[in-house]
This record gives sequence, structure tokens and C-alpha cells, in this order.
Amino acid sequence: QQPVQSPQAVILREGEDAVINCSSSKALYSVHWYRQKHGEAPVFLMILLKGGEQKGHDKISASFNEKKQQSSLYLTASQLSYSGTYFCGTESNTGNQFYFGTGTSLTVIP
Amino acid sequence: KAGVTQTPRYLIKTRGQQVTLSCSPISGHRSVSWYQQTPGQGLQFLFEYFSETQRNKGNFPGRFSGRQFSNSRSEMNVSTLELGDSALYLCASVPSDYRIDTQYFGPGTRLTVL
Repeated sequence: QQPVQSPQAVILREGEDAVINCSSSKALYSVHWYRQKHGEAPVFLMILLKGGEQKGHDKISASFNEKKQQSSLYLTASQLSYSGTYFCGTESNTGNQFYFGTGTSLTVIP
Repeated sequence: KAGVTQTPRYLIKTRGQQVTLSCSPISGHRSVSWYQQTPGQGLQFLFEYFSETQRNKGNFPGRFSGRQFSNSRSEMNVSTLELGDSALYLCASVPSDYRIDTQYFGPGTRLTVL
């Protein structure tokens, strides 16, 4: 039931792009994305509701394919501040529980 | 507005003891969720409270319980602690009455069970 994220880890140079995928075995109502820096609490990035909408702000955006129960987070022109662990979070159609994904460690180097 | 606060920030207990953690949500937020974070299992949902009622529950044993007070502050209790309960416990509050909204996390309580 825990969504699976890929890749598990990625190292980028400043300015490069990255895609993080989140896949669930359950029918989803919403997908959330969070970033957690070492020793800090997760910080909300965005929510996508069923309907296939794509959201974004600045150089971070995401898409949600409810038919495939998948979401992708796109980071373009990465900055050093993007480093951290990214988690997707999913809420099923029944809305009974919230599951965080397995996490993706992203490191941006100069 | 002040953010989500959690107390204490660090706790050391021994096996068999019980522990109570506290979470004060952002003013005006009525929904509070609790999560356990460990290196092996990642972030796992414990339960969610709204208006003093448990609205959702994760797959944790009955040793894990919680409650919410009329001022939306929430506590979680773990009885008969086990070594595997060592974790970072995070609470999050939500500004709307529905969980499909931004979750604001507190700094967490680091629990170590010896």
C-alpha cells in the first residue's frame, strides 16, 4: 500500500533536470509532494487531485495520471537548495489513510 | 502565526515504559495527524484527529493511541515501549476540515527506547 518511488537516489549538478516518480497500487484521490531536508520536518510542495491536473510553481512541477495511479515530480534547472529527500503522499478514493512513498534522496552538487 | 509545536523534542525511555507526546497545531487548524518516521520504514501514518474524534487510523498496534482536546491540541501515547518504537514522531496540522490539503509539520519528537 505504500507508494513506490523511483529512483531511490539521484545526484545532479546545478542546472540539471530531474524526474521523480511515484506509483501506487490503489486508486487515488490525491497525491501530495513534500521535501525533507536532513534533520528537518517535511515541507509541503504541492497537491494534485484526481483529474490529471498538472501543477507547479517556479521550476518544480508535477503531474498526476489517475488511470495509472502514478505521479511525477519535475525539477528543472536544479539549485543547491533542492537537495533533500522527496516524498510523495497518497490519499485513496476511500480517504481512510494517507501513505507516504518510499522517498527519493536528491543531491545537487555545484 | 506560530507554527506547529511539539513537545518534548527529545525523549529517552526504557523498554516497557510508556510515553506521551504533545502537539499544538497552528491556530485555527482543527485537524491533526501523527506520523512515525524511521530509517527502515520511512514515514508511516499513525492516526488523524478532527474535532476531538479520531477520523482515520493507520496500521499500528493498540499500544499506540491518541486524543485531541477541545483547543485542537493533540497527544499521542505509546504504552509498553519496544526497541522498535525508537523513531521520530511527527505531527501535522491542516488548515481546512479535509485532509486533502496542505499539511504543516512540526519539528518532531525524537524518541529513543533503550
